[in-house]
Amino acid sequence: GAVVSQHPSWVICKSGTSVKIECRSLDFQATTMFWYRQFPKQSLMLMATSNEGSKATYEQGVEKDKFLINHASLTLSTLTVTSAHPEDSSFYICSARASTGFNQPQHFGDGTRLSIL
Amino acid sequence: AQRVTQPEKLLSVFKGAPVELKCNYSYSGSPELFWYVQYSRQRLQLLLRHISRESIKGFTADLNKGETSFHLKKPFAQEEDSAMYYCALGDSASKIIFGSGTRLSIRP
Repeated sequence: GAVVSQHPSWVICKSGTSVKIECRSLDFQATTMFWYRQFPKQSLMLMATSNEGSKATYEQGVEKDKFLINHASLTLSTLTVTSAHPEDSSFYICSARASTGFNQPQHFGDGTRLSIL
Repeated sequence: AQRVTQPEKLLSVFKGAPVELKCNYSYSGSPELFWYVQYSRQRLQLLLRHISRESIKGFTADLNKGETSFHLKKPFAQEEDSAMYYCALGDSASKIIFGSGTRLSIRP
């Protein structure tokens, strides 16, 4: 149980386009989802926390207008990289947690590799 | 400031040898510590958490508040333990902060 699905797993696009990444909790309702970014050979860096039905909370240094997060339902959160540029190329990973309490662990998706040409 | 430090980028040990992956943290409150593992071509998954005080796949980790450490240990390494291991800290806002990770390589 507790499966998190991310789509797409890999996307290549031209500079200036916007890319949407989906994160779905398949067998549980996720009131909280997290978006991470991972550079090659580096650790995961938390970008933002999204709670269902409310605005996402962004970490310091993360541009809200650049990385749009929507968490409109209990099973889906989306991350849209707007007007993507080569420096946005990275591995993006989402995780989901079943409740707002801290006892619930985070379950991770497989990640999305984004390559901007 | 909240911080998780994993001093070793790579740890290589022989099969059957003991393993210790180091993790130190910096946090002003009462921390929640985790170890996550990522096997080759697989997603990140929770290995263990300090509040559970359980042993998973032979791994244990004890929270030492005096030394602000949460080292991961296993008495006898197995080849299937080769993976990337991340120590992580959960804060009061329920965010998780990851260390830089240690790649564990078990030699036959």
